[in-house]
Order: sequence, then C-alpha cells, then structure tokens
Amino acid sequence: AQKVTQAQTEISVVEKEDVTLDCVYETRDTTYYLFWYKQPPSGELVFLIRRNSFDEQNEISGRYSWNFQKSTSSFNFTITASQVVDSAVYFCALKIGNEKLTFGTGTRLTIIP
Amino acid sequence: EAQVTQNPRYLITVTGKKLTVTCSQNMNHEYMSWYRQDPGLGLRQIYYSMNVEVTDKGDVPEGYKVSRKEKRNFPLILESPSPNQTSLYFCASSSLYPATLNEQFFGPGTRLTVL
Repeated sequence: AQKVTQAQTEISVVEKEDVTLDCVYETRDTTYYLFWYKQPPSGELVFLIRRNSFDEQNEISGRYSWNFQKSTSSFNFTITASQVVDSAVYFCALKIGNEKLTFGTGTRLTIIP
Repeated sequence: EAQVTQNPRYLITVTGKKLTVTCSQNMNHEYMSWYRQDPGLGLRQIYYSMNVEVTDKGDVPEGYKVSRKEKRNFPLILESPSPNQTSLYFCASSSLYPATLNEQFFGPGTRLTVL
C-alpha cells in the first residue's frame, strides 16, 4: 500500500525567509508520480507540480523548487523569499498508474508579514 | 475552458435528508473520483469511476453512493446524511491514457454541514 507522510503539521516563518516543506512517500512500485498541491484559504486545490519516478531532476519555478530523492523517498518543496500570498495548506500526493491519489495530511504554512 | 464543476458549493442540511452533490467535467475524461477532506486527515477517496457504468469503492465509501450514467457527470449521493459526513468534498477527473498525462483536475469543492 502507498503512504505519504508530511510530518510538519504547521510552519510559520517571517516574510522573505526561505522555507522547506517535507514529504516522504512509501511505495513498492517502481513507476509512480508525485504531486504537490496548494490549498489557499479560499479552499480550492491548486496543482503545483508533477514528477515521474524515473526523472530525479530537481525543478525550479520562480521562487518554488522541488528536490526529489529516490534514495530517501523524499520529494521536498522549498519556497525562497516567502511572501504572505504563500500562506496556505500544502499537500504532497502519490499516484501509481491510474489509481487514486494518496495524499499526505498537509502542512499549514503561515507567512508572517 | 477545461474545468470540473461542482454544485452546490456550500450546503447545510439536517440528519437523514437525502442530498446529491453534482460533478461535471468538460474534458472527456474517463476517470472521475470523489474525495473528502477532514482536518488532520488530508484527502481520502470515497468512490471512483474508470468509465461509464463502472464505479468502485475508495477508502471511505460508507454512507455514500455514486453513479456514472454519462461520461461527463459523476454525482455523489448521501441517502441519509449524518453529522460525521460534515466535510469538504472534492470531485476530480483525469484522462486514463497515456498514464504520463494523468494529472487530476479538481473541482472547487463543496462544503457540507450536516446538523
């Protein structure tokens, strides 16, 4: 069975600080997909990134970056120079083939102005 | 615009009063799914459907029903709602093939309160 662990329940940082959200996953499959979603206070789920298991390249998109390490089964998400608009709940999720998304319990990030 | 729509967005009801939350997608996706989100538990799958007339249970199906009579629609039915079904519900859809393009598109969510 698949499992996603987001050990950080809540994080607060002062604006402009960097912050890393941790995600550890468990699966016996060799082909899988990892996702990050953002849920702002308005409640919708905003897709941020998808990563295939066979592509360990790290990715950077503006102030966001993702570090995928198969050796430690981790897919961590870093926000550089955080802004108040980054305040949200962030979910990491795992998908095997066409099966369901298995979500972590989420990390609530608060950026303090 | 490609999207998943849900209605209603907010609903307050009483125990035992049957209700239906509708979900519709305009992307011709084969796969549709319902999740519920509860504090500290993340999102958990309720039911899913791989195609018309094909539905199956997810992790938390008790107290829910679904149907898939048309490809675009996947309603969630609560025959006799109870307070423990108070939650935020999301519908999602995705294409099954190819698997490399299997991003799930989520609806805006339905916040349900059962008194």
